[in-house]
Amino acid sequence: DAKTTQPNSMESNEEEPVHLPCNHSTISGTDYIHWYRQLPSQGPEYVIHGLTSNVNNRMASLAIAEDRKSSTLILHRATLRDAAVYYCILRDLIPSNTGKLIFGQGTTLQVKP
Amino acid sequence: NAGVTQTPKFQVLKTGQSMTLQCAQDMNHEYMSWYRQDPGMGLRLIHYSVGAGITDQGEVPNGYNVSRSTTEDFPLRLLSAAPSQTSVYFCASSTYGAPGQAGFSYGYTFGSGTRLTVV
Repeated sequence: DAKTTQPNSMESNEEEPVHLPCNHSTISGTDYIHWYRQLPSQGPEYVIHGLTSNVNNRMASLAIAEDRKSSTLILHRATLRDAAVYYCILRDLIPSNTGKLIFGQGTTLQVKP
Repeated sequence: NAGVTQTPKFQVLKTGQSMTLQCAQDMNHEYMSWYRQDPGMGLRLIHYSVGAGITDQGEVPNGYNVSRSTTEDFPLRLLSAAPSQTSVYFCASSTYGAPGQAGFSYGYTFGSGTRLTVV
């Protein structure tokens, strides 16, 4: 299974942008890049995913390097509610493999008022 | 839609007892998975299923059984509970479709979890 590497923790100030990095140097051509977050005492929540192009949705933006070996999740204005553990995960597009989603340790984001 | 429903929310078992954690989804998702999360740790995949009648092992399958007789349900059975199985268990489901299809979503939806304590 392709692996991802994330910093253990990051800090941000409220209402400032946050850039959460992820390295995935062994990514294969059929891997989607997924981001999930887990708020305290809750189950994980899907945030965004992408394959090659940058992606935006109401929660965040995903910037993918041209060689796809790294990506960055961007929260445009962090709020206290964004304090969570953020997971960067590779999900295989091939149907027989795509059911297997493996979580790493993630990045714990602290947001300071 | 209720999404992914897990029952019970809390359970205390004695060592050696067996029980089934229930998971149901009403989104007609093909893929379903079970994870456990120990205190202060990340999620570890126990078993997963790519469709009714098809299951496979994840990272930590020992001590657990699953079956998938319907699309909607994916129960997790603890055969003989041990204190090492004290954890929070999450069920998740996802669909698979072709990118570009209307309504295509590739993310997993998680349940709210079952907190299991084995004494």
